[in-house]
Amino acid sequence: DAGVIQSPRHEVTEMGQEVTLRCKPISGHNSLFWYRQTMMRGLELLIYFNNNVPIDDSGMPEDRFSAKMPNASFSTLKIQPSEPRDSAVYFCASSFTLWGGPADTQYFGPGTRLTVL
Amino acid sequence: AQKVTQAQTEISVVEKEDVTLDCVYETRDTTYYLFWYKQPPSGELVFLIRRNSFDEQNEISGRYSWNFQKSTSSFNFTITASQVVDSAVYFCALSERKATDSWGKFQFGAGTQVVVTP
Repeated sequence: DAGVIQSPRHEVTEMGQEVTLRCKPISGHNSLFWYRQTMMRGLELLIYFNNNVPIDDSGMPEDRFSAKMPNASFSTLKIQPSEPRDSAVYFCASSFTLWGGPADTQYFGPGTRLTVL
Repeated sequence: AQKVTQAQTEISVVEKEDVTLDCVYETRDTTYYLFWYKQPPSGELVFLIRRNSFDEQNEISGRYSWNFQKSTSSFNFTITASQVVDSAVYFCALSERKATDSWGKFQFGAGTQVVVTP
């Protein structure tokens, strides 16, 4: 079975440009998570969805960041406008979680390495 | 407050030595999961193991073993006879079930960098 798919794998853009990161979760999973990883701040949870509904977006740094999950097999994370401090590796992860239960094993995509010049 | 503490920032060992990574967690829930993930230099995050709070049995998988002790809120990870390919950052994570948040999420530790030299 295919794992979590992310695209692009690398993105280099200039400050002020819009960036869209894409994620396809594992088929059958009902939870999707977006993380950001930097040397300074480590692994940060930005937002997560259950059954395509955003549950907690408290980790989204500011209004420049937005995420959508229009269906069970696709999610996007958009940064507009991008800034150099957004440079990081962005991971998408998915899992199958039961209502009322702890989040179960998350399987991570390969990540998107974003560089904002 | 930090829910998952990995006090060791970096551990350096010579090949074939054993290395133990500490993970201490904090929770008031009775139902929770604990995880270990590996992040090699290539960058991907690889799932290694999940432990249910009701199952305190230790586990061994090849050269990897895990010691779960609820009495000390610890879930330690040992690599036996380390190899260069074990060089990676290892993350411990906790997933709780909360009454006010019926969809749980992970709390990751800061990670421990393991460097294995030949």
